[in-house]
Amino acid sequence: DAGVIQSPRHEVTEMGQEVTLRCKPISGHDYLFWYRQTMMRGLELLIYFNNNVPIDDSGMPEDRFSAKMPNASFSTLKIQPSEPRDSAVYFCASSSRRASGGSDEQFFGPGTRLTVL
Amino acid sequence: GENVEQHPSTLSVQEGDSAVIKCTYSDSASNYFPWYKQELGKRPQLIIDIRSNVGEKKDQRIAVTLNKTAKHFSLHITETQPEDSAVYFCAARKLGQFYFGTGTSLTVIP
Repeated sequence: DAGVIQSPRHEVTEMGQEVTLRCKPISGHDYLFWYRQTMMRGLELLIYFNNNVPIDDSGMPEDRFSAKMPNASFSTLKIQPSEPRDSAVYFCASSSRRASGGSDEQFFGPGTRLTVL
Repeated sequence: GENVEQHPSTLSVQEGDSAVIKCTYSDSASNYFPWYKQELGKRPQLIIDIRSNVGEKKDQRIAVTLNKTAKHFSLHITETQPEDSAVYFCAARKLGQFYFGTGTSLTVIP
């Protein structure tokens, strides 16, 4: 397996533009997580899905952020409109659960470094 | 939810010495505790983990201990090397969600 795949790896955009980040989880994993990492706030959970259903989106900063998981192999995180304070590294991660026959381990993608000017 | 606290936030050790990072958690329903290493500009990488039915686990120079009664777990790195320098995160998994500590920046001085 190629691991968790994210695209783009780097994104530079201007304030007010729409940004879409993409993630392909590890095949067979039924949990998908979106995190944001900054120096000031560390690693923050934005939202996570189980079997393509959003379970907890309490970490999504505001209505400008939205996430979807239309199928088991693809998820998007969208920011519209983007603001400079959204600049961060966004990680996607996936896992399964031992209780459901998986392994519990969570693996991170390489991240998308977003810069909003 | 769950609250994971991690200490210290920074740690400097001489090469060859041991390093210990400690975490506490609040919810006894948490049952899986991974540790991640993150080098500058890279993704967090799982280095060792432990489940709630185990008290200790070791992998070469790295070990993790878990005290369920006290709700704390620790990462031990022996014979530290410069390449161990990184940020280390602990986490606790409760049901499906992972709760992360705030990270420890470890510097190994040659």
